[in-house]
Amino acid sequence: QITLKESGPTLVKSTQTLTLTCTFSGFSLSTSGVGVGWIRQPPGKALEWLALIYWDDGKHYSPSLKSRLTITKDTSKNQVVLTVTNMDPVDTATYYCAHMTHSSGYYYFDYWGQGTLVTVSS
Amino acid sequence: DIQMTQSPSTLSASVGDRVTITCRASQSINSWLAWYQQKPGKAPNLLIYAASSLQSGVPSRFSGSGSGTEFTLTISSLQPDDFATYHCQQYNSQWTFGQGTKVEIK
Repeated sequence: QITLKESGPTLVKSTQTLTLTCTFSGFSLSTSGVGVGWIRQPPGKALEWLALIYWDDGKHYSPSLKSRLTITKDTSKNQVVLTVTNMDPVDTATYYCAHMTHSSGYYYFDYWGQGTLVTVSS
Repeated sequence: DIQMTQSPSTLSASVGDRVTITCRASQSINSWLAWYQQKPGKAPNLLIYAASSLQSGVPSRFSGSGSGTEFTLTISSLQPDDFATYHCQQYNSQWTFGQGTKVEIK
């Protein structure tokens, strides 16, 4: 059974750096073909993909946010960490992590964490 | 960047109705499209991947079709548990979502 859970601060101030941790079970990020991604959703708005990391430490970032994002993994702890620098009130959102699997080499999100709401104050 | 556009944004329907939601991509994404259902305060739940493959455990009243730039999600007979927001997402080139379609009670 695959489960994921996000953790981190619920409130950050403008210009601060946000660090979120995704702790998962039911799979290993050292297994070939596996990935973990981060997605966010501002209140009442659409989902936005942020970043992802593969079992082989390959990484992808959203082009619009690339300069502010860093994703890392700790395979021994079953964790993936996302940092977002220079936070702004427009970054207020629910942040989700999700397990990724693939069909024919194309990766999609199949299991999601419950999400964590992060509010940015000015 | 590939843009995904869903229509309609809101859909009013009754239990038992056949419901169709459309998702259009700004360029061809082959069949690399997923559909998710999201209820208020909850995470998205995968319904369909590869445009038409039903995720394990998802009721068979959900189906997906399309390829290239135009895709549809169909609910053959709407059930009370199906009132929710539905999102499409392309994964042909990076990952982008549509703006969502809310299915509400008529």
